[in-house]
Amino acid sequence: KNQVEQSPQSLIILEGKNCTLQCNYTVSPFSNLRWYKQDTGRGPVSLTIMTFSENTKSNGRYTATLDADTKQSSLHITASQLSDSASYICVVRGNNRLAFGKGNQVVVIP
Amino acid sequence: NAGVTQTPKFQVLKTGQSMTLQCAQDMNHNSMYWYRQDPGMGLRLIYYSASEGTTDKGEVPNGYNVSRLNKREFSLRLESAAPSQTSVYFCASSGRDRVADTQYFGPGTRLTVL
Repeated sequence: KNQVEQSPQSLIILEGKNCTLQCNYTVSPFSNLRWYKQDTGRGPVSLTIMTFSENTKSNGRYTATLDADTKQSSLHITASQLSDSASYICVVRGNNRLAFGKGNQVVVIP
Repeated sequence: NAGVTQTPKFQVLKTGQSMTLQCAQDMNHNSMYWYRQDPGMGLRLIYYSASEGTTDKGEVPNGYNVSRLNKREFSLRLESAAPSQTSVYFCASSGRDRVADTQYFGPGTRLTVL
């Protein structure tokens, strides 16, 4: 069973609208959680990193949250732009290993 | 700084052929990694190198070999390619930022094995 589950698998949103991506994990012990953005045909790029003590962290229009008790994280995209069309990958570190989610595929349409 | 570079960008092989994927980083990172990414599977670790002179198996090492040539370069070799190795291959390196190790990925190599 995958230790990192992301939902929804894919979604289509209108430009200017907000959306929220979910990441649930079972990795234990927990060290940190990262969200990566992967544009089509490119390698992933780190957006944010969350440690155990952090609840919320923002990077421009991206806001990540972490609930370490329920082992859930979310990535909120505000006022989406066409350039937000990408796959968003949740990666959890624990036991000196990385567990990768399969990604949330986001398509922003005008 | 170029970051992490990979060559080639695209490659088509016939079953049984061999090839080497090249990766180099200019960020003076100790750790380097090779991943494959398949549709619906997410990134899977093939091999990694925690430092120059060391390599370790990841989640899916069968059919691959690696060489950490020096601190900058980490190559992945397919000795006898199989159709199951059709994938996108990413090299990454990691260095410590303010909080933890951040992985920096190359642009990927798209490999098709016929």
